Order: sequence, then structure tokens, then C-alpha cells
Amino acid sequence: EVQLVESGGGLIQPGGSLRLSCATSGFTVSSNYMSWVRQAPGKGLEWVSIIYSGGSTYYADSVKGRFTISRDNSKNTLYLQMNSLRAEDTAVYYCARDRAGVGATGEDYYYGMDVWGQGTTVTVSS
Amino acid sequence: DIQMTQSPSSVSASVGDRVTITCRASQGISSWLAWYQQKPGTAPKLLIYAASSLQSGVPSRFSGSGSGTDFTLTISSLQPEDFATYYCQQANSFPLTFGGGTKVEIK
Repeated sequence: EVQLVESGGGLIQPGGSLRLSCATSGFTVSSNYMSWVRQAPGKGLEWVSIIYSGGSTYYADSVKGRFTISRDNSKNTLYLQMNSLRAEDTAVYYCARDRAGVGATGEDYYYGMDVWGQGTTVTVSS
Repeated sequence: DIQMTQSPSSVSASVGDRVTITCRASQGISSWLAWYQQKPGTAPKLLIYAASSLQSGVPSRFSGSGSGTDFTLTISSLQPEDFATYYCQQANSFPLTFGGGTKVEIK
């Protein structure tokens, strides 16, 4: 069964750091594109970051320079290192698998975020 | 950044009703669009990808259409389990962006 399980959330003071983990099963994380998406209390969805199967990474402007996405292929686990946390980073953080890549004809494809974790809550407050 | 604007922000409907949600991109995104359903306290669920392709396991009463800047999600006959919030998401360029959401409520 394909599954994502996030952990590492909690209460942290402004300026602090936290590392979120997303343990995967049923597929190989290094062969897939993987995203982090967050949702502030009572708000909509906000994409945070993505890592390609080839290792390229991209970030939302709101977290660029503060957050780092990475993976451990041996543990089949995705991470989000969050530094210099702010109150506005308070949210439920979801990891998701992106069905995306380059097809046999060389064209890019994107078929959505088809598997999601249950989310982990990060609260930034003094 | 590409802005995704959904309308309406909320809709009240009855079981059996046809419901249409629209999503407009601030610039052309071809068919790089997905739709998600989210129920309170749970993670989003993929419904539609590539603007009109139904995700495996999703009931056929859900359908998507559009390309370029204007897209629609249609629920042909609303069922009790469909009361939720729906989001569109573009994947044409970074940053990936979501619409603000449309809450489908019981009338």
C-alpha cells in the first residue's frame, strides 16, 4: 500500500528551527517528484517546495532561503528543514507525491498530487 | 506568479443538484491543472488532473473541462459525501499555486 506519514511538527518559538519527516512506503521516493504543501488554520492550501527525482528543488518565495527540502533514499524518507521560523509559518504541513516527470517522447507531464500524508502541525509562537 | 481565482467561494446545494465550480488562471496554463477535494480535518484528495482526466477511483459524476485560462469542475449529481471544499491547482510554472477554494455546503 502506498502511504505517507509525516512527523516532526510541534510548538516552536519564532526564529527557531524544526525538521519535518515524511516516511514513505509502497513506492521509491527517489524515483518520484515529492512536494510539501501547507495549510494555515482556516485557510487554503499553499505549495511550499518540491524535489524532483533528479534532485532539483524549487521553493515558494515565502520560504526560499529558510526552508530546505531533501530526501534520504536509504530510508525512503522526505524531509523539510525549516529555519528562522515565523508566526506566519504556522500551519498543517502535508507531504505529497507528485505524479510528474518526463514522458517517453521527452515531454513533461504533471498528473497531480495523487498521494498525501495525514499532515503534521507546526505552531510558531512565543 | 500565476494567480488562480475560484468562483464561487461557497455554494449551497441539495443532494442530486448539478454543481459547477470555475477556476481562472491569471495567464495561460494550457491543461496543467488539477482539482482536489478536501473534507475537514483530512488531507486533500486528487479528483482531476490534466484539466479533464479523472483520477482512478473517483466517481464519474466528477468531471473537469477547460484549457488556457478558464476551467470548470462539475459534479453532475451531488451526493452527501461530496460536501467538502474544492481547490484547483496549476502546474504550468513555479511557484505551483492553488485557488482559494470553493466550499460546497448543504442547502
